[in-house]
Amino acid sequence: SQQGEEDPQALSIQEGENATMNCSYKTSINNLQWYRQNSGRGLVHLILIRSNEREKHSGRLRVTLDTSKKSSSLLITASRAADTASYFCATDGPRNTNAGKSTFGDGTTLTVKP
Amino acid sequence: DTAVSQTPKYLVTQMGNDKSIKCEQNLGHDTMYWYKQDSKKFLKIMFSYNNKELIINETVPNRFSPKSPDKAHLNLHINSLELGDSAVYFCASSTRTVGGMGTQYFGPGTRLLVL
Repeated sequence: SQQGEEDPQALSIQEGENATMNCSYKTSINNLQWYRQNSGRGLVHLILIRSNEREKHSGRLRVTLDTSKKSSSLLITASRAADTASYFCATDGPRNTNAGKSTFGDGTTLTVKP
Repeated sequence: DTAVSQTPKYLVTQMGNDKSIKCEQNLGHDTMYWYKQDSKKFLKIMFSYNNKELIINETVPNRFSPKSPDKAHLNLHINSLELGDSAVYFCASSTRTVGGMGTQYFGPGTRLLVL
């Protein structure tokens, strides 16, 4: 298994619904980040959560981190068609090192139908 | 203003050729990366440079040679291209922070197709 696995692999919802994506990882981390990738584009940073944080909000995004379960979730509330994209989690670590390397998960492809 | 730019955007070439991809960032970051994204969207780090010094080399074939003339540029040269090299290559940059990776800023990608 890869460090940083997302599930589900694909998610299709109606506009206005909430979308939840999960990420699991294997080693201890310094922080975890979520990125979005629109089709044919580069990745765009959404939110960073540190290993000593449990929850973080940014607009319609809510990220949780459970280091005991080595998992994180990304919730997008009141989804819009423009949220259609692939979402990746990225972890760095092991914790308390500055390895300077992010490991990306396989991504969740979100489709929001108008 | 483009933060991280890559050229070319598309690259179609024959097997066995040598090609280069260029990357430039105007964010003042000291760390730059090359990633390879395959057809299944799996994103894997290839190299990382910090202040022109190689710090990560992820068991990439030695046909791939990164070069960083200054901390704002990180180019990727690929010798003897193979079919399996077909992918999207992303350049990224970030600051190095105490306590983990900072935010990475990605370029638009270079779509390489080897025929």
